[in-house]
Amino acid sequence: QVQLVQSGAEVKKSGSSVRVSCKASGGTFSSDVISWVRQAPGQGLEWMGGIVSIFATPNYAQKFQGRVTITADKSTSTAYMEVRSLRSEDTAVYYCAREVPAAGSFDYWGQGTPVTVSS
Amino acid sequence: QSALTQPASVSGSPGQSITISCTGTSSDVGAYNLVSWYQQHPGKAPKLIIYEGSKRPSGVSNRFSGSKSGNTATLTISGLQAEDEADYYCCSYAGSVVFGGGTKVTVL
Repeated sequence: QVQLVQSGAEVKKSGSSVRVSCKASGGTFSSDVISWVRQAPGQGLEWMGGIVSIFATPNYAQKFQGRVTITADKSTSTAYMEVRSLRSEDTAVYYCAREVPAAGSFDYWGQGTPVTVSS
Repeated sequence: QSALTQPASVSGSPGQSITISCTGTSSDVGAYNLVSWYQQHPGKAPKLIIYEGSKRPSGVSNRFSGSKSGNTATLTISGLQAEDEADYYCCSYAGSVVFGGGTKVTVL
């Protein structure tokens, strides 16, 4: 059974950066695709990007290109997502999720990490 | 890539069937059979209930079913139960991932 455990809640100032971690267990991390999805308060789900650790080449949604960095550490089965130049609109719950191979869907999700950006 | 279009809300009485539509384009929903559906209760992470258009993961009730016609995918919930009250999101994969805006299901 795959488990994804995320780091805890963060409160950040506008203009700063935040890094959220997602530790995987029970699966084959090196070949799994781990994606990041965020949800602003009262809003829908928004895909940010994903990574396959064995290739170490992330794929980003166009909206987040240049401001978000997704990485993976095979040695600890942990994925990371960093957002720079935070603004109030980045206040959201950030989820990591594992993609079903070749199906483009997400079968396991982390518990979510609330990030609050204040001025 | 624009979000997929879902109705904001759908309601039904216990035991009834309801449908939720998810409209995209020939570049996403219509391009491949890679539409998935998620159920999300308040304060919880989304849960996969349908993948590849119509397949159910192990453990998901057979009251949930998915279909697609052209650029529109549909989630059907039959035998509506109180526990089905939640937000539902469709998702399409076509090189990139795009979600629908979400539909709030209310059980009357």
